[in-house]
Amino acid sequence: GDSVTQMEGPVTLSEEAFLTINCTYTATGYPSLFWYVQYPGEGLQLLLKATKADDKGSNKGFEATYRKETTSFHLEKGSVQVSDSAVYFCALSDHGGAGANSKLTFGKGITLSVRP
Amino acid sequence: DAMVIQNPRYQVTQFGKPVTLSCSQTLNHNVMYWYQQKSSQAPKLLFHYYDKDFNNEADTPDNFQSRRPNTSFCFLDIRSPGLGDAAMYLCATSRGGTGNEKLFFGSGTQLSVL
Repeated sequence: GDSVTQMEGPVTLSEEAFLTINCTYTATGYPSLFWYVQYPGEGLQLLLKATKADDKGSNKGFEATYRKETTSFHLEKGSVQVSDSAVYFCALSDHGGAGANSKLTFGKGITLSVRP
Repeated sequence: DAMVIQNPRYQVTQFGKPVTLSCSQTLNHNVMYWYQQKSSQAPKLLFHYYDKDFNNEADTPDNFQSRRPNTSFCFLDIRSPGLGDAAMYLCATSRGGTGNEKLFFGSGTQLSVL
């Protein structure tokens, strides 16, 4: 079945440091890939997505590129802020084409803490 | 302007005592999902509704049921909670139909079983 593997956490960085959070996946079809973020006390919210190979998703200074050859979707940000402290989830939707529903398979999530 | 609302935020029940968790949405989305998230684990899809059509995941225990009386509301019923059912329960919605659209999540209900 489909699966998503995220690097082990937690991750603690100083403000303005470079961030990489690794994510690899296993899927039988051609999935769409997502990063969701959960700020303290809030629900998960979509950060960015990519729907086909070589697509780059970006939002709020975060980027991730869909790499089919390495089955990866690593999240990067050049300069993190204290406000980026949250839990980050990598996910895939092996949706089977138009008319299907977005059934997400999630990774375990990783907690990022950014120090001033 | 909360769009997916889950009540209550924290729920405590007793071993074997039925419990119902609630979710409502103001987005008029076709699809509603229930996920279970245990500590330090990935959220796991239990089931979802596309409109009135119910779709159960193959490995969801029979102890878990769901109802969707109208577009706005969806309920998760746990008939006889066990200690292993203590978890965060997440409700989510989406428009449906493309397979890669954004999901909107509520803040979750943290269930404790005593």
